[in-house]
Amino acid sequence: TQLLEQSPQFLSIQEGENLTVYCNSSSVFSSLQWYRQEPGEGPVLLVTVVTGGEVKKLKRLTFQFGDARKDSSLHITAAQPGDTGLYLCAGSNYQLIWGAGTKLIIKP
Amino acid sequence: SAVISQKPSRDICQRGTSLTIQCQVDSQVTMMFWYRQQPGQSLTLIATANQGSEATYESGFVIDKFPISRPNLTFSTLTVSNMSPEDSSIYLCSVLKQHEQYFGPGTRLTVT
Repeated sequence: TQLLEQSPQFLSIQEGENLTVYCNSSSVFSSLQWYRQEPGEGPVLLVTVVTGGEVKKLKRLTFQFGDARKDSSLHITAAQPGDTGLYLCAGSNYQLIWGAGTKLIIKP
Repeated sequence: SAVISQKPSRDICQRGTSLTIQCQVDSQVTMMFWYRQQPGQSLTLIATANQGSEATYESGFVIDKFPISRPNLTFSTLTVSNMSPEDSSIYLCSVLKQHEQYFGPGTRLTVT
């Protein structure tokens, strides 16, 4: 059974701080996706990483795929209240394996 | 990308009744998925619905409880049958397009 461990499950920080969310697995994935979900809406795809060691940036968000394609991280610089939401990672092989989610609250 | 709409957006139902959730996509897609999600938690795949074939259900989900229709490449329905309070959840429709997955806004179901 493939598992994708996501941590932390909950994070509440002040505006302006930095944070990192991790997704780890013992399985190799062909790609890994990060989603953000706000209350009352479906998850919205932020990024897909495909190549081992790949780094993608989306404004203040930096996504990294591990060299062995077993893990990934999401780093947010200078977090803002608008970053508040549920962040989900999902590893892809023949199906999507979902992390447990990280509920992020940025306090003004 | 894909734009997905779901109906209803929310409903409160009595136990023992059934609810059918509709999912409409703005473009033709081969693979559609139905998920269940508790608020603030991760997603659990219920089934994969491909047009022209029977839906494929994940472990713990059966066709009698969650019948799915997929009459064409832009539409699907999920029925939650003989509901109990344990079925209270958010139900999400999703599609795979160009190797990326897109989600509808979800249907929040409360069973009393």
